[in-house]
Amino acid sequence: NAGVMQNPRHLVRRRGQEARLRCSPMKGHSHVYWYRQLPEEGLKFMVYLQKENIIDESGMPKERFSAEFPKEGPSILRIQQVVRGDSAAYFCASSPPSQKTQYFGPGTRLLVL
Amino acid sequence: GIQVEQSPPDLILQEGANSTLRCNFSDSVNNLQWFHQNPWGQLINLFYIPSGTKQNGRLSATTVATERYSLLYISSSQTTDSGVYFCAVSPANAGGTSYGKLTFGQGTILTVHP
Repeated sequence: NAGVMQNPRHLVRRRGQEARLRCSPMKGHSHVYWYRQLPEEGLKFMVYLQKENIIDESGMPKERFSAEFPKEGPSILRIQQVVRGDSAAYFCASSPPSQKTQYFGPGTRLLVL
Repeated sequence: GIQVEQSPPDLILQEGANSTLRCNFSDSVNNLQWFHQNPWGQLINLFYIPSGTKQNGRLSATTVATERYSLLYISSSQTTDSGVYFCAVSPANAGGTSYGKLTFGQGTILTVHP
């Protein structure tokens, strides 16, 4: 059973460009979570999604950030018009419907030049 | 929201030594997980332990839910144990939308020297 997959593993963008981060949950997992780790900081919750629904987006910045988890395909975290302060590691986690344990992917390291 | 405090912030050990890492949390929880973030940045799931005691090889963990703390024990430490150890919790009394949200502590940075 493959683990949580994230791609790309590293992403470089210039200020003003868009960043798209992808997350494929573990097989059988219908819950997806996104977390951000800024340099020298701990991990912070961003958003919790189930298939086609955003359950909790209380940690998402109000502007430029969006997330989706369509019926088919991976979950996408989209950052529009990136700024240098968006440089961070973005982690995706997934869990099955009946369990609370979250399993984390390897992360995407975003660098904004 | 729920507060999570980890101690110590830094820990330096010689290979073979034992250590105890602590996680205090401010409210009842229905999820508590310990993670190891290795030097390559990957988050490794160590334990799901909202209460009770578990062991996995040289690692064990105990959560005393009524007193709102958890302990992670590392015995006979190895250089590969180096990295950051995070405790993360979800509050038990949250509404449905907060059910899945993990709040992380600031971590304990462990360095094991050969």
